[in-house]
Amino acid sequence: KNQVEQSPQSLIILEGKNCTLQCNYTVSPFSNLRWYKQDTGRGPVSLTIMTFSENTKSNGRYTATLDADTKQSSLHITASQLSDSASYICVVSDRGSTLGRLYFGRGTQLTVWP
Amino acid sequence: EADIYQTPRYLVIGTGKKITLECSQTMGHDKMYWYQQDPGMELHLIHYSYGVNSTEKGDLSSESTVSRIRTEHFPLTLESARPSHTSQYLCASSTKARDRVYEQYFGPGTRLTVT
Repeated sequence: KNQVEQSPQSLIILEGKNCTLQCNYTVSPFSNLRWYKQDTGRGPVSLTIMTFSENTKSNGRYTATLDADTKQSSLHITASQLSDSASYICVVSDRGSTLGRLYFGRGTQLTVWP
Repeated sequence: EADIYQTPRYLVIGTGKKITLECSQTMGHDKMYWYQQDPGMELHLIHYSYGVNSTEKGDLSSESTVSRIRTEHFPLTLESARPSHTSQYLCASSTKARDRVYEQYFGPGTRLTVT
């Protein structure tokens, strides 16, 4: 069964600190892995997309890594800001159809305190 | 920022009413999607469309229906709303970013409450 598991479920950090969110997946055949940021009451916004051949990708203070052998990914946030408070969702796409079906994790709820 | 819009943003309605959630995008994307999301849970695909006059049901069974008469417009309709339909509904569209990668852009969502 294709699944995406994220940890931790929730995380509280102080402003300026770094943090790392984890994602494990069993989706096969694998096409790509995405990290989205979803603010409360809003739609998800893409942070990074990585294909099989990419093992790291950065977007400002966000750095995602991918280990396709162990089927794990992480999202590292450096120098956190209050605006980083959101849910971070790991999403994996398969290549078994032209739709490129997406499998969503439940997200890690990050809260940044001043 | 993606040009995909949803209206209304919030809707509180009584049981048995017919409702239509609007979704439109100005990016010319062929593929469009409807997702349902409950608090703290993952998004579930309920409908998708490859293009005009193409609609398919997604992974999660839903009593809603969709239509795709124009490329930019993908409305979702509930003929008779029930409390079990209370949820957040997210619309998305996608375009090919690179080989085998379709970038999905999400709208802001409609928070539906059925009393």
